[in-house]
Amino acid sequence: EAAVTQSPRNKVTVTGGNVTLSCRQTNSHNYMYWYRQDTGHGLRLIHYSYGAGNLQIGDVPDGYKATRTTQEDFFLLLELASPSQTSLYFCASSPGQGRDTGQLYFGEGSKLTVL
Amino acid sequence: QQQVRQSPQSLTVWEGETTILNCSYEDSTFDYFPWYRQFPGKSPALLIAISLVSNKKEDGRFTIFFNKREKKLSLHITDSQPGDSATYFCAARRGTNAYKVIFGKGTHLHVLP
Repeated sequence: EAAVTQSPRNKVTVTGGNVTLSCRQTNSHNYMYWYRQDTGHGLRLIHYSYGAGNLQIGDVPDGYKATRTTQEDFFLLLELASPSQTSLYFCASSPGQGRDTGQLYFGEGSKLTVL
Repeated sequence: QQQVRQSPQSLTVWEGETTILNCSYEDSTFDYFPWYRQFPGKSPALLIAISLVSNKKEDGRFTIFFNKREKKLSLHITDSQPGDSATYFCAARRGTNAYKVIFGKGTHLHVLP
């Protein structure tokens, strides 16, 4: 069974605060993704990566940085958090080979509240 | 700009009915279309998927019909059960640009007993 672990699971910060969301996968997958989920918007892609040191820009990247330090670890950074970034964040990994590249394995989510 | 569109936003059916969820897209570089199901408070999980080489994909009570010419897909759930109540997301993988995977806004399904 694919395993994707996110931390923290819940985070409260203030406007202007610095937040790092962590994601680790033990599936030996090449691809990792960060999405945010908001009511009425579904899942929106922030950043993704196909390997250590690689970063691809998603559809809603403003205000977010990301870094893939190893094949296993993908971090999402909010350096000046704003209330509009209050959301549920999901990390996912994917095999990256053939048609199954589209199959994502999700972590349990990180709920971020920016006051 | 919504690259993957889903309809309806919300749907209520009776137990035993067939549910039809719709999805459309415009980008011709999309080549793989997974559907995910998300129960309240849980993470999305893959339900069924189809690629460009197929017109239909079946898995138990779940079937995807794919009209490539019109760039439309539909997910049919036969004999709908209360346990099927969830949000269903249609997604699309771009075959270029490092395999970007984009989701629609989802359809919230409620199956009444």
